[in-house]
Parts: sequence; structure tokens; C-alpha cells
Amino acid sequence: DTGVSQDPRHKITKRGQNVTFRCDPISEHNRLYWYRQTLGQGPEFLTYFQNEAQLEKSRLLSDRFSAERPKGSFSTLEIQRTEQGDSAMYLCASSLESGRVRRYNEQFFGPGTRLTVL
Amino acid sequence: DAKTTQPPSMDCAEGRAANLPCNHSTISGNEYVYWYRQIHSQGPQYIIHGLKNNETNEMASLIITEDRKSSTLILPHATLRDTAVYYCIVRGVTMYSGGGADGLTFGKGTHLIIQP
Repeated sequence: DTGVSQDPRHKITKRGQNVTFRCDPISEHNRLYWYRQTLGQGPEFLTYFQNEAQLEKSRLLSDRFSAERPKGSFSTLEIQRTEQGDSAMYLCASSLESGRVRRYNEQFFGPGTRLTVL
Repeated sequence: DAKTTQPPSMDCAEGRAANLPCNHSTISGNEYVYWYRQIHSQGPQYIIHGLKNNETNEMASLIITEDRKSSTLILPHATLRDTAVYYCIVRGVTMYSGGGADGLTFGKGTHLIIQP
């Protein structure tokens, strides 16, 4: 399977614990995105990387959220001191962007990690 | 990116054409219309995009009005597997500057239910 993969698919944790999710993008894709989706809502953009550079992080929900993509391949999203309100689906997507003009932006999404905070 | 308005839900009979409307009255000249869909428990999937001309691919057709203030996604022969939430997204072409938000802005979409 050469699509975007995420691990784990499901995570149950207790309030106050730290959690980390992993995303493996499509191998030749240079951009990687993280989204959060709560029940009944569309995905909400959090952050993205161009290769290993994090180009936007102001949309991260709080300073408890952080993301890395150290070698420009896979990425991790960490939530520290989880709260019940963090329960959601966390989606990763990747795309290939080249040149200076974004002509269109087809993002390929993974299956998501469903987080439940008790 | 311009705001979009979609009906919250629609029904369609299997085998019929499903026509999903989207209003984007504040769209600007360099903004494209994209459609994604999300089948239950899966990540969103790209369907089609267009600027001002009608577009067709193996999944769907996109009809954009002449004034570009609205569009319609057409699934020509809907099947049960087309039951999903469909998102209409308006997004501009930007110059890569190494910064700025580049994520897609999803609304609540239209929940399309294909009836057998």
C-alpha cells in the first residue's frame, strides 16, 4: 500500500497523559499536513511541513500540541497533558508541491488516529 | 479563502444522478473550487477541482456557473458506496513564499445518502 499511513489507528488514554501519533506520507510527497476532526465537523487544519520545515504552526490548538518532521519523511504529532476536549480524530495528509505557483492542491489523507481521553 | 455554503444533507436513489450544490458568492478571480468527500471512518478523498470551466473526470463532473458564485458536483450514476459527506472548498492559487497557512478549510459539508 503506497498511501498515507497513520499509527496507531485508535488510542485511549487517561486525562493528563502524553500521546504521540505517527504519520507516514506518500514517499515522494514533500508536504505533510495535520488536521483534527471532531464529531459532526469537517477537518480542522493544524499545521504543515514543507520537507522538514514547519511552515505554519499558529493553528495548533494550544502549546500542548507540537509536531515534528525531523528528516522530511514521517511526522509525529504530540499532545501533552491530554484533556477530554482533545478527544477527536487526528488526520494526516500529504501532497507534492513544486514550483512557485500552487496550481491545485490535491491532498492525500490517511485513515486517521482516533483519540479518546478518559 | 472564500466561504462556502452547502445543504447539510441530501438523499438520492441508487443509479440516479446526484447533484450537490455549493454557494461561494465571495469567490475571487484566482480561487479554485475543490470537492472532497469523506466516507465514514476514512480520511477525506479528493474528487475534482475547477476554476471557471466545467470539469469531468472518472469520478464526477463539476459545473461552475458563469459568474462563479455557485457550483454543482454531479455523480452521474450514484451507488451505495457514494454515501459520504461531500465538502466544497474554495482555495486560491498562491505563490510559494515558504510560509503562511496552507491547509484546506473544510465546512460541515453535505451528507449524501444513497438510497437502494
